[in-house]
Amino acid sequence: DAGVTQSPTHLIKTRGQQVTLRCSPKSGHDTVSWYQQALGQGPQFIFQYYEEEERQRGNFPDRFSGHQFPNYSSELNVNALLLGDSALYLCASSQSGQAYNSPLHFGNGTRLTVT
Amino acid sequence: GENVEQHPSTLSVQEGDSAVIKCTYSDSASNYFPWYKQELGKGPQLIIDIRSNVGEKKDQRIAVTLNKTAKHFSLHITETQPEDSAVYFCAATLNTGFQKLVFGTGTRLLVSP
Repeated sequence: DAGVTQSPTHLIKTRGQQVTLRCSPKSGHDTVSWYQQALGQGPQFIFQYYEEEERQRGNFPDRFSGHQFPNYSSELNVNALLLGDSALYLCASSQSGQAYNSPLHFGNGTRLTVT
Repeated sequence: GENVEQHPSTLSVQEGDSAVIKCTYSDSASNYFPWYKQELGKGPQLIIDIRSNVGEKKDQRIAVTLNKTAKHFSLHITETQPEDSAVYFCAATLNTGFQKLVFGTGTRLLVSP
């Protein structure tokens, strides 16, 4: 049973460029969340997708956008990259429709470096 | 919004000792508190969680306690082993069905043989 998979594992981009990160959720999961983890910090919530719609968003600018596909996989897009966007980007999946929060399962992340 | 504080930032123990990590949350409406372990180069892995209707939960060498009145929750690891060395994160969230975890800043645990 594959867990959450993310690609690519590492990425180097230049300021001003755009980047797309990809995520496949754990089998049986239909909800995908994205987090940004700066070096030495805890993950910070970017947004969450369910039924192909963004249903909750954290304090991130509109440069950060996403998409969820019918197979539940997801993409995170970041436009006009800044040096401060350098971080580990984590995808987490969960199962909706439960009375209580379904535990989040994280992938190993994509390390983005902006130069 | 929710804010989670975590202490200590680093913790060094000898193998076999116990380790305790403490967190405080700000939003009294939060009712789900997971703990994650993150090893170098990997994503966070859920190790234990607790809901607000429970005061304590145990899973082998790991236990979590919750004090809703004080808005404190703690992770207890007994009989520590070198493979317990990692960064541990606490988190809190509302049970809204739209889970949005707010994480603490992490505790680096080092277990020396």
